[in-house]
Formats: sequence, C-alpha cells, structure tokens
Amino acid sequence: DTAVSQTPKYLVTQMGNDKSIKCEQNLGHDTMYWYKQDSKKFLKIMFSYNNKELIINETVPNRFSPKSPDKAHLNLHINSLELGDSAVYFCASSSLPGRGINEQYFGPGTRLTVT
Amino acid sequence: AQTVTQSQPEMSVQEAETVTLSCTYDTSESDYYLFWYKQPPSRQMILVIRQEAYKQQNATENRFSVNFQKAAKSFSLKISDSQLGDAAMYFCALSGSARQLTFGSGTQLTVLP
Repeated sequence: DTAVSQTPKYLVTQMGNDKSIKCEQNLGHDTMYWYKQDSKKFLKIMFSYNNKELIINETVPNRFSPKSPDKAHLNLHINSLELGDSAVYFCASSSLPGRGINEQYFGPGTRLTVT
Repeated sequence: AQTVTQSQPEMSVQEAETVTLSCTYDTSESDYYLFWYKQPPSRQMILVIRQEAYKQQNATENRFSVNFQKAAKSFSLKISDSQLGDAAMYFCALSGSARQLTFGSGTQLTVLP
C-alpha cells in the first residue's frame, strides 16, 4: 500500500507545453507539499498546503500552481515549460498537530525533462 | 530564514565500520525539529531519524544515532556497523513553525566491501 503516490514517474515534454503532476496520499494527513530537486540534488520547498492555507516559496515562478481537489490530493500544474524546469519533483505529506514533530512522508518523485 | 549546511559532499566507510556525517544549521526559532533523510539510487526519500529540539536526549534508531548539540547548532548522524545498503545520499533537514523542510546540500555515502 503506497502511502504517497505520484504520477507519472517520468515526464518528457517540449518547451512551452503545459503539464500536470498528480499526487495522492492515503495517510489521512492534512498538509501536503511540493519540493523540487535540481540536477545537483539540492532540494527546495515550492509549496505547502492544507485546507486553510497555501504557502508559496517566493522564488517559485507563477507558472507553477498547486491545485487541491480534496485533502488527499495536491496536483502540480506547470504552464509554459522551460528548460530550467527539468528536475525531480517530490510530493510529501504530514499531519499538522498543534504541537509536535512534523514528520513528512515523500512520494517516489517525478523526473521531468524539458527538451 | 533557516539554513542547513552539510560540509561533506562525499564520505566513504568500510563495511561494518562506523561513520559520522556532519550537519550544522541556523534558525531564529526556539521550537524546531531536525531530521536525517536517506536517498538511495531509487531516489525515494526515506526518513532515517528525527530529533525534537526541546529534547536533550539524542535520538537513536537501531544502528543510527545522532549527536545533537543545540548550543553549537550541530546535528551529526552516526551510522554504526555500516552495511552495503546504507550507501546513499544523506540529507539533513530542519523544520520550524512553517512546517516546511529546509534541506542541506547532501552527503553522498559510499560503503566499501
């Protein structure tokens, strides 16, 4: 039983296209995240989202937008893809207790290649 | 702003030996959490160990333990009895009030048979 799943695992597309990556978690968590891992393996937060609040990393271009149809899903839409968007994108989720350790569980990642 | 620094891009260890991976961090928050994640070639991010900053006792998970020095803002990972399956990229990460993880640049660990 996969806790956090992402589709597709690999995505190859051309510059200028619009694409989406889907994420689903079956852990009952109320907060989900998107991270980007670049070619040097550096991981950086893009968004965090629960049903009350969307926190956007200010460095993320507005071509990227998260969309959450329900608490178990957080999809990532990317418009007008650029070469520099090539990376591995990770979805993660956690519960958000009033106080307590924020242990995040990661999906398998989606390797996006823009040609 | 939070920062996490891993000063060892690569490390190697002989099988069955012990290795320590270094991590330092900076945060202005008093309530935060620290983690070590492992990323094998499969690229799956696997949580190795966690530490609450308010706890003085160092966390331990089987062969993995941490040395948490709060005043020095240091959080090193010790792997005992290293196994071939421990070979991976290891990331140190910090989570504060915003709940987002700030990662270090990673340490690539090679285990030599």
